Amino acid sequence: AQSVTQLDSQVPVFEEAPVELRCNYSSSVSVYLFWYVQYPNQGLQLLLKYLSGSTLVKGINGFEAEFNKSQTSFHLRKPSVHISDTAEYFCAAHSGGGADGLTFGKGTHLIIQP
Amino acid sequence: DAGITQSPRHKVTETGTPVTLRCHQTENHRYMYWYRQDPGHGLRLIHYSYGVKDTDKGEVSDGYSVSRSKTEDFLLTLESATSSQTSVYFCAISEIGGGYGYTFGSGTRLTVV
Repeated sequence: AQSVTQLDSQVPVFEEAPVELRCNYSSSVSVYLFWYVQYPNQGLQLLLKYLSGSTLVKGINGFEAEFNKSQTSFHLRKPSVHISDTAEYFCAAHSGGGADGLTFGKGTHLIIQP
Repeated sequence: DAGITQSPRHKVTETGTPVTLRCHQTENHRYMYWYRQDPGHGLRLIHYSYGVKDTDKGEVSDGYSVSRSKTEDFLLTLESATSSQTSVYFCAISEIGGGYGYTFGSGTRLTVV
């Protein structure tokens, strides 16, 4: 079974600064990777996904992530954050195919400081 | 979210009572999932369904049962609620499974006192 590790439970960053949220997954022959965002008192929204192909994936709201197979990582980045990016971010993985659900990391709370 | 609704949105119940949470979709998606969200644990899969009457256990299924008698409804039942089941419960739907194409509901906040 997949396991997903988000290395930081909380990341404070100043507005307009760049940010990286780290995610590592357990090795698998094939893996699908996702980043979701959760705003307060809401459900989860998909930011971006990696299924295959280019290792650099672009998502909504200016976010991007890079799939690194050798380091089993899928870190999320944004070059310049805004107050509105304050939220909980979840990395998730699936070992390709199958009906079973995604495996989520424990989440990273992104705190934007003015 | 459009196409998926959870009910109730909030519920307070007493220890030992049965509780049923409902997930209803209008998308005709084959796959449905129940997760619980707890601080420090992220989201953990409770049960999932891959068709009418086809369900299977997830990572944290003890104390929970599910039923899916029609495509649009996926019910999660706590037969005898315990305080450890206080949580926010999320339903998700997917047309093609395989981990992608999830749409999440808005969640049900359950408190067991």
